[in-house]
Amino acid sequence: QKEVEQNSGPLSVPEGAIASLNCTYSDRGSQSFFWYRQYSGKSPELIMSIYSNGDKEDGRFTAQLNKASQYVSLLIRDSQPSDSATYLCAVRKGNNNDMRFGAGTRLTVKP
Amino acid sequence: DADVTQTPRNRITKTGKRIMLECSQTKGHDRMYWYRQDPGLGLRLIYYSFDVKDINKGEISDGYSVSRQAQAKFSLSLESAIPNQTALYFCATSDLTAKGGPRNEQFFGPGTRLTVL
Repeated sequence: QKEVEQNSGPLSVPEGAIASLNCTYSDRGSQSFFWYRQYSGKSPELIMSIYSNGDKEDGRFTAQLNKASQYVSLLIRDSQPSDSATYLCAVRKGNNNDMRFGAGTRLTVKP
Repeated sequence: DADVTQTPRNRITKTGKRIMLECSQTKGHDRMYWYRQDPGLGLRLIYYSFDVKDINKGEISDGYSVSRQAQAKFSLSLESAIPNQTALYFCATSDLTAKGGPRNEQFFGPGTRLTVL
């Protein structure tokens, strides 16, 4: 079992719809959770971080964390074609531990 | 100027050659990382360093070595390159005490595309 698992996609949604990206992790001791966006041929960039159970909203993005279910998700409201990218879920056990990444979910937003 | 730079950006080499990838940062961060990215496998950590005197192996360190020459410089070496080391390599930095940002946010360099023939 991979430490961080994501559906590879591709996930296709129409412009203006809600895109829902999911991630599960295996280490119950994980404390920090991150979503990175990576455009084709570019480096990953952080878009959301979450540390506590529940929802965290930032503009059109909402991260959701459920530690009991070992599940973290990212919702993108009012999806735009510019949101088309691969979204990487990353998990860290503690501040002095390394980060583990999922393989990423490729999202396509169609005009 | 980019905060995290990597050289070279592209490299084609032959099996058995020694290769060095370099990373420099102007962010003043203590922590630096080397990852490789392969299709379908995501980012995998090769080595990381929390300061100049601290080097740690990641998930896939076999076949690689690193050198932290200074706070701002972290080099990755492939002592004898093999074809399955063909990948996109990323350097990243982070600062545990970053002000105004999330804990341990990692900032990535532009990547080095390495092909081993």
